[in-house]
Amino acid sequence: GAVVSQHPSWVICKSGTSVKIECRSLDFQATTMFWYRQFPKQSLMLMATSNEGSKATYEQGVEKDKFLINHASLTLSTLTVTSAHPEDSSFYICSARAGNTIYFGEGSWLTVV
Amino acid sequence: DAKTTQPPSMDCAEGRAANLPCNHSTISGNEYVYWYRQIHSQGPQYIIHGLKNNETNEMASLIITEDRKSSTLILPHATLRDTAVYYCIARDSWGKLQFGAGTQVVVTP
Repeated sequence: GAVVSQHPSWVICKSGTSVKIECRSLDFQATTMFWYRQFPKQSLMLMATSNEGSKATYEQGVEKDKFLINHASLTLSTLTVTSAHPEDSSFYICSARAGNTIYFGEGSWLTVV
Repeated sequence: DAKTTQPPSMDCAEGRAANLPCNHSTISGNEYVYWYRQIHSQGPQYIIHGLKNNETNEMASLIITEDRKSSTLILPHATLRDTAVYYCIARDSWGKLQFGAGTQVVVTP
């Protein structure tokens, strides 16, 4: 099946700094990608929909200025967590749509210390 | 988006078929039913999806009732590696997948 890759797999950053997570569709073009966050023992929570060439649309309650999303090409979307704080520590997962099938990346663990 | 309801947990014996139910009584005519599974600390793995007809692939079979208000995912011969949280999701027209709590499936020897 189609492959979606995330980088980095895990990252530790200091409180107050920003961190960027990349999501790539490796063998298909994705005009739409999605970003999720998952806290321990909880389900995935949709954060935003990333559309190539246009602004991302955010779910209710997600701060767009804190979670910057850029979808500059048909194979790459990035999520930047700005001014990260310990409560932003989480598992971040992206997905990309290939026709009627949506594939997920391996996820990125973010720890803010 | 249609809400889906799944049992919180299910045990299954290795080698036996696992039948995972899902209710989606408010699903609309153009919403697909998707199934994913997530093994601890990994991204969700696509299993199968369908609209009206039953579907089968190398991983599983999806049986959708005629009124589309419920479906069943069938893992024909469960293995220990099938232990995971299984999510049944009704995908909206925008393509967004909203995850519920899922079913924790434990396959035992």
